[in-house]
Amino acid sequence: KAGVTQTPRYLIKTRGQQVTLSCSPISGHRSVSWYQQTPGQGLQFLFEYFSETQRNKGNFPGRFSGRQFSNSRSEMNVSTLELGDSALYLCASSLGTGLSNQPQHFGDGTRLSIL
Amino acid sequence: AQKITQTQPGMFVQEKEAVTLDCTYDTSDQSYGLFWYKQPSSGEMIFLIYQGSYDEQNATEGRYSLNFQKARKSANLVISASQLGDSAMYFCAMRVNTGANSKLTFGKGITLSVRP
Repeated sequence: KAGVTQTPRYLIKTRGQQVTLSCSPISGHRSVSWYQQTPGQGLQFLFEYFSETQRNKGNFPGRFSGRQFSNSRSEMNVSTLELGDSALYLCASSLGTGLSNQPQHFGDGTRLSIL
Repeated sequence: AQKITQTQPGMFVQEKEAVTLDCTYDTSDQSYGLFWYKQPSSGEMIFLIYQGSYDEQNATEGRYSLNFQKARKSANLVISASQLGDSAMYFCAMRVNTGANSKLTFGKGITLSVRP
């Protein structure tokens, strides 16, 4: 069974640009969550999508947005990139949403560097 | 709000020995799940073990076991017979059973180094 696939693995952008990251969940998983990981802030929740609807959102500015398609694949977009957006972005999928006994399975992440 | 605390500094263990990684949590919810993840230097987060708040038995998965003490709000991970490949960052996380707040809340993580 294929795991969570994130593309691209590495990305270099400059300030002011925008970027789109992609995530394909495990087959049959309908919930996709996104996290940002930095050395200073650790792992922070961005948002969760289930059945093409955003179910939960973390404390990030509106420059961070996402969407989910009918096949459960998800994309995350960051506009007007800032140096502080340099991070590892992790996508995680699980069978359902709002269930505390559902582990989230993570992809390998996308390392985004802003110059 | 949920909070996970991992305060141990970098941990070192000799190969083949057991090691305990500490985790305490705080939540007002009665129904929740506790998870441990491993993150090697390559970056991927690997799910290790799960413990439900109503589970009476401590969870075990191969060499991993979770020492769950609900009254003390602790969920320590025990790795038996450490291997060199266990060297990684370990994160404790919690998820509560409400649809509006179903995110994973992570601790800061603990770095484990296994010595040959």
